[in-house]
Amino acid sequence: GNSVTQMEGPVTLSEEAFLTINCTYTATGYPSLFWYVQYPGEGLQLLLKATKADDKGSNKGFEATYRKETTSFHLEKGSVQVSDSAVYFCALTGGYQKVTFGTGTKLQVIP
Amino acid sequence: DSGVTQTPKHLITATGQRVTLRCSPRSGDLSVYWYQQSLDQGLQFLIQYYNGEERAKGNILERFSAQQFPDLHSELNLSSLELGDSALYFCASSVGTGERNTEAFFGQGTRLTVV
Repeated sequence: GNSVTQMEGPVTLSEEAFLTINCTYTATGYPSLFWYVQYPGEGLQLLLKATKADDKGSNKGFEATYRKETTSFHLEKGSVQVSDSAVYFCALTGGYQKVTFGTGTKLQVIP
Repeated sequence: DSGVTQTPKHLITATGQRVTLRCSPRSGDLSVYWYQQSLDQGLQFLIQYYNGEERAKGNILERFSAQQFPDLHSELNLSSLELGDSALYFCASSVGTGERNTEAFFGQGTRLTVV
């Protein structure tokens, strides 16, 4: 079945640092890939998505590129802010299987 | 606002008791997913329903059960509660069953505390 592996956290960065959270996947066919974000005390919300190979999803300064050759969808941001502190989940859909989530990576940004 | 409504927001109950968590999906969504999120742990998939029928099952305990009703709302029943069941329980909904481009929309969660 489908699966998602993402780097373990927590990740602690200083404000304005560069962020990378790694995500790799296993899936049959051509899945769609997502990043969700969970701010403290809230539910998950979609951050960005990509639906085919080489697509780049972007939102709020975050970017991720769908790399089929490496089965990866790494999340990046050039300059993080304190307000980006949250838990980030990589996910995929496809093959008529349930939405599959990674375990989540907690990001803490310190001033 | 995701359009997914979960009630109640908070629930405190004693060990051995039984509780019911309720989820109303987004209008038009046929799939409902239930997840458990414990402190410092990731999202544990419990179960999925699609248009009233069980579609996929994850790490759901035998003490837990769920159903989706004809109006598409869903309930998660937790019985013989233990301290370790204290967690955030999320409901999510999506239009389909996991086809490509299926985006999941999450409710705000129910925080269950077992004392």
